[in-house]
Amino acid sequence: QVRLQESGPGLLRPSQTLSLTCAVSGGSLNSDADYWTWIRQPAGKGLEWIGRIHSSGSSTYNPSLRGRVTMSLDTSNSQFSLELTSVTAADTAVYFCARDRVLLPHNFLDSWGQGILVTVSS
Amino acid sequence: AIWMTQSPSLVSGSTGDRVTISCRMSQGIRSYLAWYQQKPGKAPELLIYGGSTLQSGVPSRFSGSGSGTDFTLTISGLQSEDFATYYCQQYFSFPWTFGQGTKVDIK
Repeated sequence: QVRLQESGPGLLRPSQTLSLTCAVSGGSLNSDADYWTWIRQPAGKGLEWIGRIHSSGSSTYNPSLRGRVTMSLDTSNSQFSLELTSVTAADTAVYFCARDRVLLPHNFLDSWGQGILVTVSS
Repeated sequence: AIWMTQSPSLVSGSTGDRVTISCRMSQGIRSYLAWYQQKPGKAPELLIYGGSTLQSGVPSRFSGSGSGTDFTLTISGLQSEDFATYYCQQYFSFPWTFGQGTKVDIK
């Protein structure tokens, strides 16, 4: 059973860069069948897909984040990361990492981290 | 982006009730829809993908149906552990998007 765990700073100032890491255990980041994904959820609100990355280097991001997002993989340390630049209060949310499993023709988010609260405040 | 409308936003039920949640898409997505359950303070958990395929380990009282633009999640025989918020999610086209959520609470 794959397990995911987010880590990173919980408080940022506006205009700073959010950097989060997701440690993966019980599974391989090199699996062709898996994409590694970030999703966020503002308090009391719904879920927003941020993007995903594959071990091939392929990545897809949500256009709503206007080029502020970068994801990367560190297979040697079995972790993947999210960077979100120029944060504002609107980026305050619980951030989840998740595995996006491909079982053609379907995709599904079948394993999730517990989530980490990131607050942007001056 | 594909938008989805979940309804109702809140449904109140009692143990043993049958509950249905609807998810309507802004355009057809074949059967590329998943359903998730989220309890307070926890990550979502996958229930169904492909519109109707039950994820391993999910109780059979959960079922999904639909294709194209209209999908339904049904809980047949509500249990105490089912009181939670449910989200639909499309993976037909990027960006993946989620419905607004339906909270199932105790009547």
